Amino acid sequence: GEDVEQSLFLSVREGDSSVINCTYTDSSSTYLYWYKQEPGAGLQLLTYIFSNMDMKQDQRLTVLLNKKDKHLSLRIADTQTGDSAIYFCAVNTNAGKSTFGDGTTLTVKP
Amino acid sequence: DTEVTQTPKHLVMGMTNKKSLKCEQHMGHRAMYWYKQKAKKPPELMFVYSYEKLSINESVPSRFSPECPNSSLLNLHLHALQPEDSALYLCASSQAWFGDSNQPQHFGDGTRLSIL
Repeated sequence: GEDVEQSLFLSVREGDSSVINCTYTDSSSTYLYWYKQEPGAGLQLLTYIFSNMDMKQDQRLTVLLNKKDKHLSLRIADTQTGDSAIYFCAVNTNAGKSTFGDGTTLTVKP
Repeated sequence: DTEVTQTPKHLVMGMTNKKSLKCEQHMGHRAMYWYKQKAKKPPELMFVYSYEKLSINESVPSRFSPECPNSSLLNLHLHALQPEDSALYLCASSQAWFGDSNQPQHFGDGTRLSIL
């Protein structure tokens, strides 16, 4: 089945850029997603990219997709303390399900 | 603000109780989902409803019983739960669901369930 991997932790200073990486195995995935989860809350859909795109920008967020290497990244520009959260990468499968990575905990230090 | 509303936010119940979790969305989405999430782990899919019909049951024990009364509402009926069922239960919706794909899902804030 589909496997999605992310590094578990990332720590940055306020104002720096954060880059969270994700690799996946199923090349047939059509949607690839980034979700943010703050403590005690549900998952917030941050952004998503179609598999026929290689980049998507939305304000401070930039998603890069390298289909050849099956690598997805999320860049957060000018990272703020409010960006501290767990970030989940997810890809859809041909069984109509989303496979999630284990999440990357982003810590932003003042 | 989330557009998927879940109630209650917290629930404590004994192993012999019967309770229900509720989820509501008014985005006109035709697919709704139940997930279970343990601490520090990703969500695990439990059920998918498409056009009010159960489309996926991920081999969930029968003590969890989903119900979709209409396109805006999704319930999860709980009975005779075990301590290991304590978790955050998340509801999500998407515009549609296809057997070979799905669309971006919008999640509620979840119900934190504790089984005594």
